[in-house]
Amino acid sequence: EAQVTQNPRYLITVTGKKLTVTCSQNMNHEYMSWYRQDPGLGLRQIYYSMNVEVTDKGDVPEGYKVSRKEKRNFPLILESPSPNQTSLYFCASSTGTFGTEAFFGQGTRLTVV
Amino acid sequence: GDSVTQMEGPVTLSEEAFLTINCTYTATGYPSLFWYVQYPGEGLQLLLKATKADDKGSNKGFEATYRKETTSFHLEKGSVQVSDSAVYFCALVNTNAGKSTFGDGTTLTVKP
Repeated sequence: EAQVTQNPRYLITVTGKKLTVTCSQNMNHEYMSWYRQDPGLGLRQIYYSMNVEVTDKGDVPEGYKVSRKEKRNFPLILESPSPNQTSLYFCASSTGTFGTEAFFGQGTRLTVV
Repeated sequence: GDSVTQMEGPVTLSEEAFLTINCTYTATGYPSLFWYVQYPGEGLQLLLKATKADDKGSNKGFEATYRKETTSFHLEKGSVQVSDSAVYFCALVNTNAGKSTFGDGTTLTVKP
């Protein structure tokens, strides 16, 4: 089954404790992206990657890191999480060609206390 | 930069009512336009799309037409059902930049 898998689905952590949210896709997609969803703000793009070893900043990259060492995986790293990073996070992938849809993971609900 | 403006919600309709959710955009180049739907507790899934001016996307009774002259991509459905209750997102992908931009989302509730 074609899917984008995020882990964990739910995470509560403390300020400053480094964490990684994993994202994996099994569709051989070149393009992957991370978003955060906040009430009243919709989805905002954090980082995206158009291929292996190619990443670029989205609209809200501060406080986040990503890596794309292999095609299927695109982890989101929070080196020193802060409460304002409490949010619902989505990973998505697509072929990257013009007009193709993005496939989204189920989301990761992160709470930083 | 690119932006997407969606009609503010929430929207509450009775079953079989007509639905319109407005979406306008600002972008350089020639973006492709999408409507995604998010059901409670789930990720977003594609509802419909259009890749060039005057294209009409349609799926499950929903329609939207890519209007370049008014920079709009309004979502319509002639007769909504309770099962259509969800959050709807308008989005654009600007292929020149490789970035995607989403609207704030519109929550639709359909009552029996």
